[in-house]
Amino acid sequence: GENVEQHPSTLSVQEGDSAVIKCTYSDSASNYFPWYKQELGKGPQLIIDIRSNVGEKKDQRIAVTLNKTAKHFSLHITETQPEDSAVYFCAASKRNRDDKIIFGKGTRLHILP
Amino acid sequence: DGGITQSPKYLFRKEGQNVTLSCEQNLNHDAMYWYRQDPGQGLRLIYYSQIVNDFQKGDIAEGYSVSREKKESFPLTVTSAQKNPTAFYLCASSKDSFRHYEQYFGPGTRLTVT
Repeated sequence: GENVEQHPSTLSVQEGDSAVIKCTYSDSASNYFPWYKQELGKGPQLIIDIRSNVGEKKDQRIAVTLNKTAKHFSLHITETQPEDSAVYFCAASKRNRDDKIIFGKGTRLHILP
Repeated sequence: DGGITQSPKYLFRKEGQNVTLSCEQNLNHDAMYWYRQDPGQGLRLIYYSQIVNDFQKGDIAEGYSVSREKKESFPLTVTSAQKNPTAFYLCASSKDSFRHYEQYFGPGTRLTVT
């Protein structure tokens, strides 16, 4: 079955700097890679996703990249702000009815003042 | 306001008691899910339901039970057979089972069993 590894488990960056979270997946058939953000005391929320037919996607300060050959995908946050402090989960999935989404173990991001 | 509600936010139980966690959604979604979250473990799937009156075991179903009698409701019962029930429980839904990759989560219930 699919396995998603996520690194680092904790990341601290100075406000204004960039943050990068990396994930690898094992199942080459996976073709959809969402990222979720979980703020303290809340449920995760989908913030961005990338599909296997593109290599990069941007949404304001957030970008995701995908290397299908290496089975790597990454989340990049630029010009970090205090509200970016949260736990981020990567995930992998196939767009089949009976498939499940497999989550990484999460990265706790701290934005330092 | 459309969304998923879970109640209560905090729940305390004595060991040996069964407890039911509530999950309701008004998004008109067909599929619903229950996850357990432990520190450093990420999200682990307990049970999921693709449609009313149907549900399947996830990766860690032992000691849990669910029902799906109504489209909008998917309660989770943590039974006394669950060895380590203290955890943060998250309910989620998706429009249908094909779009399982786009899930909407509730705020969670933190269960403490002593």
